[in-house]
Amino acid sequence: SQTIHQWPATLVQPVGSPLSLECTVEGTSNPNLYWYRQAAGRGLQLLFYSIGIDQISSEVPQNLSASRPQDRQFILSSKKLLLSDSGFYLCAWSKNRVMYGYTFGSGTRLTVV
Amino acid sequence: AQTVTQSQPEMSVQEAETVTLSCTYDTSENNYYLFWYKQPPSRQMILVIRQEAYKQQNATENRFSVNFQKAAKSFSLKISDSQLGDTAMYFCAFLNTGGFKTIFGAGTRLFVKA
Repeated sequence: SQTIHQWPATLVQPVGSPLSLECTVEGTSNPNLYWYRQAAGRGLQLLFYSIGIDQISSEVPQNLSASRPQDRQFILSSKKLLLSDSGFYLCAWSKNRVMYGYTFGSGTRLTVV
Repeated sequence: AQTVTQSQPEMSVQEAETVTLSCTYDTSENNYYLFWYKQPPSRQMILVIRQEAYKQQNATENRFSVNFQKAAKSFSLKISDSQLGDTAMYFCAFLNTGGFKTIFGAGTRLFVKA
């Protein structure tokens, strides 16, 4: 069966520090991978998605970036965090036929102080 | 651009009763998919139910069913025999046929009271 792992679960970082959130999927190959950010009362905002290695699309201009160094690994990064980067970050994967929906990771609560 | 609107930020229901969560969407496409996701307090988001727009029959998954009104662009979720474990944030979501990006609504927080 397929599983998705996301870590860390919580993170408190000072403004200006770097960020690296990791997400890995097991039990499948060539998944579509996604990073969403969830803000209170605002639903889920798509940040990045990837349909293959080195194929990453950015949805929101910001100081975040994403990379996919391996087929089933998706990393969300920042060189310098802003206060506005605080939020709940969710990684998700889907089969190539996205119509069957997403499977989400357990999320990372990021607080920038 | 497609949008998804959930007009009820919070709802509550008594255990064992039925509750309906509303969702409307805007699209010019004819073929698409609609979803309801559940996010319990533990935060693990899970897919509850999905609907294919070209199917007129409403989807059903155990106690969860949808009322899909394509002309009205409405996609409500009905939870029958509500249980305490149904307490969660519920998100309505939209996906274009052939697309990769799912658009989510702002969510409805549902409280099931004992």
